[in-house]
Amino acid sequence: KNQVEQSPQSLIILEGKNCTLQCNYTVSPFSNLRWYKQDTGRGPVSLTIMTFSENTKSNGRYTATLDADTKQSSLHITASQLSDSASYICVVSAKKTLTGGSYIPTFGRGTSLIVHP
Amino acid sequence: DADVTQTPRNRITKTGKRIMLECSQTKGHDRMYWYRQDPGLGLRLIYYSFDVKDINKGEISDGYSVSRQAQAKFSLSLESAIPNQTALYFCATSDQFGRGGTGELFFGEGSRLTVL
Repeated sequence: KNQVEQSPQSLIILEGKNCTLQCNYTVSPFSNLRWYKQDTGRGPVSLTIMTFSENTKSNGRYTATLDADTKQSSLHITASQLSDSASYICVVSAKKTLTGGSYIPTFGRGTSLIVHP
Repeated sequence: DADVTQTPRNRITKTGKRIMLECSQTKGHDRMYWYRQDPGLGLRLIYYSFDVKDINKGEISDGYSVSRQAQAKFSLSLESAIPNQTALYFCATSDQFGRGGTGELFFGEGSRLTVL
């Protein structure tokens, strides 16, 4: 069964500090992995996408890494800001197989990040 | 205007009532989804559609039905609402990853449903 596990479940940090969120997955065959940011009461918004051949990708203060061998990804946030307070969701999609498949994404439960001033 | 629009944004209803949540999109995507979000459980897929004539059950489809009226419209119905269907509901759209698409999900602002 395809699964995505995220850790920690929640995290509290001080403004200006760095943090790293983890994502482990068992989705197979792997197609791509996305990190989404969800502000409270809003819909998630994509931060970055990682494909099999990519190890690192940055989007401003957000840097995602992917280790396809160990099936792990991380999202590193540098110099955190109050606006980074949100839930961060790891979403992994499977590759379409010869018999079908449809890239249905598998969602992690998210990491809730709170940045304090 | 938002790319993905959900109506209503908030709804309070009573047990046994029929409820419809509507979703429309201007992204031109073929794929549309309905998700439910509960605290601590993340987003769970209710139904999805890859084409106007295509409807598929997700992991928690019991008690729900959907209708894909057009490429841009996908509605979710609760035929007889019950209190444990109280949740935040999201509609999303995407194109297909590969074949020139990114597979990115674009979400609406959510519909908060309370069943008393």
